[in-house]
Amino acid sequence: EVQLVESGGGLVQPGRSLRLSCAASGFTFDDYAMHWVRQAPGKGLEWVSGITWNSGSMGYADSVKGRFTISRDNAKNSLYLQMNSLRAEDMALYYCTKDMGFGLGWVWGQGTLVTVSS
Amino acid sequence: SYELTQPPSVSVSPGQTARITCSGDALPKQYAYWYQQKPGQAPVLIIYKDSERPSGIPERFSGSSSGTTVTLTISGVQAEDEADYYCQSADSSGAYPVVFGGGTKVTVL
Repeated sequence: EVQLVESGGGLVQPGRSLRLSCAASGFTFDDYAMHWVRQAPGKGLEWVSGITWNSGSMGYADSVKGRFTISRDNAKNSLYLQMNSLRAEDMALYYCTKDMGFGLGWVWGQGTLVTVSS
Repeated sequence: SYELTQPPSVSVSPGQTARITCSGDALPKQYAYWYQQKPGQAPVLIIYKDSERPSGIPERFSGSSSGTTVTLTISGVQAEDEADYYCQSADSSGAYPVVFGGGTKVTVL
């Protein structure tokens, strides 16, 4: 069974940094692209960033470009999101997702909450 | 920026049919996906490649595509189908590799 467990969320002041982690299990992690998606309280889904299986390509939403960095460690079956210069509008539940490939859709973790406040 | 447009809300009586549309200029060239999200839960894939249904998803959920609009149909709506539904796709240029619609709240009357 696919399991994606996010961690690293919490309360952080504006302008500070936070690193999210996603521990993957139940599948061959280095076969799949992965993504981060966020959802602000009471709002819809927003794609944040994605990375290919071998870290050969990364993509970012315009809203986080230059501030967030996605990475992965295939040896540790882990996905990361380094978030710098955090803003109030970055406050959200951050989901780790597995792209099943071949147009088969995504599987989602349960999310980790990031609160940005002074 | 590329956008997918969904109606904010749809109301339906139990046993009736709910239809949720998602419009976007690139939909004739890009697959659409549908996710169901219940309160306090993570999204769950219910339709992929416009109209395919993952194993374990009830047959009352179906998807279709016509031009720049894709549609999620819930036939014989049940109370447990009350949830938010999001479409997902991409633009055709590659500039926006992943885009979500704004979401549609389905209320079962």
